[in-house]
Amino acid sequence: SYELTQPPSVSVSPGQTASITCSGDKLGSRYVCWYQQKPGQSPVLVIYQDDKRPSGIPERFSGSNSGHTAILTISGTQAMDEADYYCHAWDTTIVVFGGGTKLTVL
Amino acid sequence: EVQLVESGGGLVQPGGSLRLSCTASGFTFKAYWMHWVRQAPGKGLVWVARIKGDGSSISYADSVKGRFTISRDNDKNTLYLQVSSLRADDTAVYFCARDGHYSGDGFDLWGQGTMVTVSS
Repeated sequence: SYELTQPPSVSVSPGQTASITCSGDKLGSRYVCWYQQKPGQSPVLVIYQDDKRPSGIPERFSGSNSGHTAILTISGTQAMDEADYYCHAWDTTIVVFGGGTKLTVL
Repeated sequence: EVQLVESGGGLVQPGGSLRLSCTASGFTFKAYWMHWVRQAPGKGLVWVARIKGDGSSISYADSVKGRFTISRDNDKNTLYLQVSSLRADDTAVYFCARDGHYSGDGFDLWGQGTMVTVSS
């Protein structure tokens, strides 16, 4: 079965750039989405189709996907960005989530 | 208002069953693929099942195949998940989510979740 691998945790200082990776076999040939989830809340879509932002998502969120790795980048990270982040891709008819990355803004 | 509202969760004994519901409002429900995603306490998101807008195509995660059944009633704007033969590791918050119209659109609308606890 297809697997997506994320680092368990990433730390960043306020105002700096955070990068969260998501790795999978030939991932660049699939669409990747990213979700943000804060404690006690439902997930929120922040990136779809590799690099598109839904309406209402700040411009500091961006995405890329090539080869075997997709990357979620948060530029000028703010304290409010501290959350769990999950990548998501499709494997034919099955949906796969990465294990999630806890972003800490120190 | 565009929203999804889940219900039907609760405490159930191992081997028991429940029917979870997800009521949609504010959008054309029958036009969308819908999914169930679960999250065990302190753990990550895990996809469970999906169903096409007209109900003609269904897929399940291997971990629930044969035990869970996804369905929908487009006249009632409601998505269902019948969960049976429940085990302790099925304990989780169950979310319903709306899929976008196009490939790679992602899950752009989520419910608040309903908790299922499997315990004797």
